[in-house]
Amino acid sequence: GAVVSQHPSWVICKSGTSVKIECRSLDFQATTMFWYRQFPKQSLMLMATSNEGSKATYEQGVEKDKFLINHASLTLSTLTVTSAHPEDSSFYICSAREQGLTYEQYFGPGTRLTVT
Amino acid sequence: AQKITQTQPGMFVQEKEAVTLDCTYDTSDPSYGLFWYKQPSSGEMIFLIYQGSYDQQNATEGRYSLNFQKARKSANLVISASQLGDSAMYFCAMRGSTLGRLYFGRGTQLTVWP
Repeated sequence: GAVVSQHPSWVICKSGTSVKIECRSLDFQATTMFWYRQFPKQSLMLMATSNEGSKATYEQGVEKDKFLINHASLTLSTLTVTSAHPEDSSFYICSAREQGLTYEQYFGPGTRLTVT
Repeated sequence: AQKITQTQPGMFVQEKEAVTLDCTYDTSDPSYGLFWYKQPSSGEMIFLIYQGSYDQQNATEGRYSLNFQKARKSANLVISASQLGDSAMYFCAMRGSTLGRLYFGRGTQLTVWP
C-alpha cells in the first residue's frame, strides 16, 4: 500500500528558532499534499494545500509567512515553522493524494512539535 | 460550505459487541466522498472505509461497515465484534469537489472494555 513518511517524528526547539518538517510519499507520486494541525483531543485542522511546483493555498487564519510550505517534487513537501513560539506546539500531520483519480489520501505518522 | 458533525464525544462498548458511531454531514456538492479514520494514541491516521455519494450499496471492509443514508445525510460507522484494539479516536470526514481536501468531524473516542 501507499506509504507516507514524516521526519522528524518529534522535535523540541527553543522559542524563536525555525523547524522544518518533511513529508514524503515513498512509493507513489503525490501531486497534492495537505498539511494539518491537531491540538490534543481535537480534530484535524487543515492548514494548507500544496501542489507540486506551485504556491501553497493556505486556509483562512493561517499565517503564510510563519508556516512556509514548499512542494518541490512529486514526492516531497516541507513545512517550516519560522520563529516558533510555545503556542505553535502541536501535532502536525501531512497527507498525500496520489496522482490520478484515486479518492484516497494517505496520511503520514505525524510530527509532534514542542516549543520551549 | 461543508460540515461534518459527530455528536458523540465518547462511546463505550464491551468486547465482541457491535457499536455504531454517528456522523452527519452537510454539503451542496452533488458529488462527494465520505471517509472514516481511526486514530490510536500513537497519532497515526488509519483509513478504515470510504463511501462515494453515488454508490448504491453501503461500503463494507471486514468488521467495518458504513450505514449510508443519503436523504438523511448520515454516514454512520458500524464496527462489529469489537476488539480491545479498537479503542481509539474515530473521525468522520468528507471530501468535496474542491482540491480534494477533507473536512473532519470532531471525532468520537471509542473505548472497548473486556
